Amino acid sequence: EAQVTQNPRYLITVTGKKLTVTCSQNMNHEYMSWYRQDPGLGLRQIYYSMNVEVTDKGDVPEGYKVSRKEKRNFPLILESPSPNQTSLYFCASSKSRILAELYEQYFGPGTRLTVT
Amino acid sequence: DAKTTQPTSMDCAEGRAANLPCNHSTISGNEYVYWYRQIHSQGPQYIIHGLKNNETNEMASLIITEDRKSSTLILPHATLRDTAVYYCIAHNLEYTGANSKLTFGKGITLSVRP
Repeated sequence: EAQVTQNPRYLITVTGKKLTVTCSQNMNHEYMSWYRQDPGLGLRQIYYSMNVEVTDKGDVPEGYKVSRKEKRNFPLILESPSPNQTSLYFCASSKSRILAELYEQYFGPGTRLTVT
Repeated sequence: DAKTTQPTSMDCAEGRAANLPCNHSTISGNEYVYWYRQIHSQGPQYIIHGLKNNETNEMASLIITEDRKSSTLILPHATLRDTAVYYCIAHNLEYTGANSKLTFGKGITLSVRP
């Protein structure tokens, strides 16, 4: 089944304890992205990657890191999490950088992160 | 990208067609209309997109008016599982570098009643 998977789905952690949220897609998609969703603020893009070894900042990159060493994986790293990073995180992918395909994005199920 | 306007909410009976309107009166010639939905706390789900012709897929139909100022997403036989927030967005396909993000407005909450 074509899908985007994220792990973990739920995580409660403490301030400063490094964590990684994994994202993997099995559709051979070129483009991947991370969003966070907060009440009243909608979906905000954190980082995106147009292809392997190519990553760029989105609107809210502070406090996050990403890497794209393989086409299928795009992990989100929080080196020193803080309470303001408590949020619902979504990974997304799309087939290619061709714009009509770029906006046809497929999302993972979400990771609900709580930082205390 | 053109601003889109949707009603706040609507409901329909299970098994009936759900017609979700969207206004995009300032849409430009190279902007596609995209529809997504988000079932509570799940990841957004792509539904359909179109430029000016009507489009249909296994999930829904998209009807775009001839002047392209508005569109309607049609779920032909709504089920309880279609209860969700539906987002209509317009995206300019002139590449401007970091223009890859999806920006959802408030969307329309569709409630399907038994």
